[in-house]
Amino acid sequence: AQSVTQLGSHVSVSEGALVLLRCNYSSSVPPYLFWYVQYPNQGLQLLLKYTTGATLVKGINGFEAEFKKSETSFHLTKPSAHMSDAAEYFCAVSDPDFGNEKLTFGTGTRLTIIP
Amino acid sequence: DAGITQSPRYKITETGRQVTLMCHQTWSHSYMFWYRQDLGHGLRLIYYSAAADITDKGEVPDGYVVSRSKTENFPLTLESATRSQTSVYFCASRLRTTGYNEQFFGPGTRLTVL
Repeated sequence: AQSVTQLGSHVSVSEGALVLLRCNYSSSVPPYLFWYVQYPNQGLQLLLKYTTGATLVKGINGFEAEFKKSETSFHLTKPSAHMSDAAEYFCAVSDPDFGNEKLTFGTGTRLTIIP
Repeated sequence: DAGITQSPRYKITETGRQVTLMCHQTWSHSYMFWYRQDLGHGLRLIYYSAAADITDKGEVPDGYVVSRSKTENFPLTLESATRSQTSVYFCASRLRTTGYNEQFFGPGTRLTVL
């Protein structure tokens, strides 16, 4: 079964600084990869996704992520953090063992922006 | 366009009571999912459904029952609630397509079992 590891349950960055949230997955078969964002008391919203093609994926709100098959990673970045980026971020990966029907989520990273 | 809705948004119940959480989507998505979100665990899949009358267990199905008689509805029932089922529950849906499987999430139901 697929597993997803998000390094760092809490990340703090200064406003204007680089945001880097890490995600690694276990499958040797390239899955479909997603980053979701959750604002307080809300459901999850899709930030970006990788399916096929270009390995650098751009999403909403200036975020991007790069799929690196050799490292089984899909790290999320943003060049300059804004206060509005404060939220919880989840990496999710499809499970090829189940025909990609299901997603496996990481445990989440809470991003705090320091003014 | 209502999308995907959940009701109630907040629920307090007592141990041993039966509770049903409702999920409704207006997109005619084939797939629907139920997750629970707990600190330190992220989202864990409880049950999912590929179509009406087709359901399957996820990672943590014990203590939960689902049904799907209509495409748009996917209720989750806790037959005899326990304190360990205190959690935030999210419903999600997606289209049946080949390839990627982006899921759309409801706003969640916060359940407290006393």
